[in-house]
Amino acid sequence: KNEVEQSPQNLTAQEGEFITINCSYSVGISALHWLQQHPGGGIVSLFMLSSGKKKHGRLIATINIQEKHSSLHITASHPRDSAVYICAVRYNNDMRFGAGTRLTVKP
Amino acid sequence: AAGVIQSPRHLIKEKRETATLKCYPIPRHDTVYWYQQGPGQDPQFLISFYEKMQSDKGSIPDRFSAQQFSDYHSELNMSSLELGDSALYFCASSLVDSSTTGAKNIQYFGAGTRLSVL
Repeated sequence: KNEVEQSPQNLTAQEGEFITINCSYSVGISALHWLQQHPGGGIVSLFMLSSGKKKHGRLIATINIQEKHSSLHITASHPRDSAVYICAVRYNNDMRFGAGTRLTVKP
Repeated sequence: AAGVIQSPRHLIKEKRETATLKCYPIPRHDTVYWYQQGPGQDPQFLISFYEKMQSDKGSIPDRFSAQQFSDYHSELNMSSLELGDSALYFCASSLVDSSTTGAKNIQYFGAGTRLSVL
């Protein structure tokens, strides 16, 4: 069983829809990252979380330390949000990555 | 104990010039934050880095960029300076504490760099 599980693996949405991507982990972590990778592009860190909730523009990330679960929400989705979203956790000075969620937003 | 070190302490530039501010975090800290405080204003969060990756982005203008290097120090690069960029720029560092449930993230601030754009 992977230490970091993401769901769904693939997600297709219509423009304007509210998107939720989930991440569950099984190890004790010191921080959790949500990363974004566009086709042919580099990886951008969207959020680093250690507790609670963060918001940046149309993106919201939450984490529940007790339940070992985090969610990434995208409000009013847009085709430019199409990318792979990766959950990564840090523990024991190492990083573990989820398999990613491929999001496609159609106009 | 070592604190957050910022350099230079004071910087005077003219409009349209560039400036680079440096921040050396507390040893073993892995996160760096940049803030801008204009005259008579509250500090505004600009950007942060965790383990050399941009972790959060605040109200940083497109003319500004920042990065965190392999030794964890950070630099804030400011181009096409405007009069309104005159401010006190603070850097803070923190270490994500994994020893407790709900990690702590206390930020320790440097003394700041006062930038004056003439």
